[in-house]
Amino acid sequence: GAVVSQHPSRVICKSGTSVKIECRSLDFQATTMFWYRQFPKKSLMLMATSNEGSKATYEQGVEKDKFLINHASLTLSTLTVTSAHPEDSSFYICSARIAGGMGETQYFGPGTRLLVL
Amino acid sequence: AQSVTQPDIHITVSEGASLELRCNYSYGATPYLFWYVQSPGQGLQLLLKYFSGDTLVQGIKGFEAEFKRSQSSFNLRKPSVHWSDAAEYFCAVGSTSGTYKYIFGTGTRLKVLA
Repeated sequence: GAVVSQHPSRVICKSGTSVKIECRSLDFQATTMFWYRQFPKKSLMLMATSNEGSKATYEQGVEKDKFLINHASLTLSTLTVTSAHPEDSSFYICSARIAGGMGETQYFGPGTRLLVL
Repeated sequence: AQSVTQPDIHITVSEGASLELRCNYSYGATPYLFWYVQSPGQGLQLLLKYFSGDTLVQGIKGFEAEFKRSQSSFNLRKPSVHWSDAAEYFCAVGSTSGTYKYIFGTGTRLKVLA
């Protein structure tokens, strides 16, 4: 149980284009999802907290207009990297917490590797 | 300020040897504590967690961790390491204030020698 998927697993795009990454909770409802960014050989940096039906809460220093987050349902959150630049290349990981349960545990997706050329 | 420290960036052990990965935290109250493992290019898998109660926590894959309040530590242990345990291990502190956020340590990369 508690499986989180991400799509795509890898994406290559040209500078200036937008890329959408999906995060789905497959077997549970997720009131809250989180988006992280991980640089090579580094820890995870929380970008934003996504709550179903409301606006995302962004961490300090994260551009909300560049990283658009939508949490349209209890099983789906999307991260759109707008006008991508090479410095946006990274490993993006989402996580989800189970709605209504002992909700402190986050379950992580397998990650999406973004390469911007 | 809240923080998580994993003092060891790299650890190398021989297969079959015991393992201890250190984690120290700074938090205003007793936090929720987690250990996750990440294989190369993969997401994070939960090994074990501590919310309250028994301070010795058993997890998957033969791992255990002990919460020591006096030392603000939550070290991960395994009595006999297998080659498949080679991975990156992250300790995390979970917020008890209702934001559900995690603070991650910088990770410890484990290498297992055959």
